Amino acid sequence: QVQLQESGPGLVKPSETLSLTCSVSGGSISGFYWNWIRQPPGKGLEWIGYIGYSGRATNNYNPSLKSRVTISVDTSKNQFSLRLNSVTAADTAVYFCARDRGPGNYYGMDVWGQGTTVTVSS
Amino acid sequence: QSVLTQPPSVSGAPGQRVTISCTWSGSNIGATSDLHWYQQLPGAAPKLLIYGNTNRPSGVPDRFFGSKSGTSASLAITGLQAEDEADYYCQSYDSGLSAWVFGGGTKLTVL
Repeated sequence: QVQLQESGPGLVKPSETLSLTCSVSGGSISGFYWNWIRQPPGKGLEWIGYIGYSGRATNNYNPSLKSRVTISVDTSKNQFSLRLNSVTAADTAVYFCARDRGPGNYYGMDVWGQGTTVTVSS
Repeated sequence: QSVLTQPPSVSGAPGQRVTISCTWSGSNIGATSDLHWYQQLPGAAPKLLIYGNTNRPSGVPDRFFGSKSGTSASLAITGLQAEDEADYYCQSYDSGLSAWVFGGGTKLTVL
């Protein structure tokens, strides 16, 4: 059974870079798409972006965040990562990683991590 | 840009049936894009509840029903139970933006 686990600093200073990692266990990272989604306190879900990997990586990002986001994959560690630059208080949220089978796929995001809380504050 | 609109809240008594709507607006992707539903219990991660408009993953009770017609979709919950109290989100894909889109979420209160 595939499981996802987010990790990274819980506190980031304004203007700095938020970095999170999602570790994939119980299955391969290859052949799937891997997403980051966030949820500000008391608000709804916002898709950040994905990376797909089947021998080569393919990315896409939320247009509203595209200029600040990078998602990468490390197949040797079976994990993928999120970097969000120039953070502000508006980036304070619970960050989730999730798996799906491709853009607009029929099966939805079927595996989720438990989420990690990131607070942006000096 | 496409938007998925859900009611902010719905409520029902135990045993009753409730429905949550999800409507596409902004661009006509609803007719061709599959829609998924997620349940988020308090303090937990979202869980896939319905995929491909109408299908339940293994383990999801058959009290949950998804439907889709044109640019509208609905999640129906029958035989409402206290454990169903949660936030529910619809999700689809905007092929024009190449982006996943979530609805704003609906809070279900079991009275």
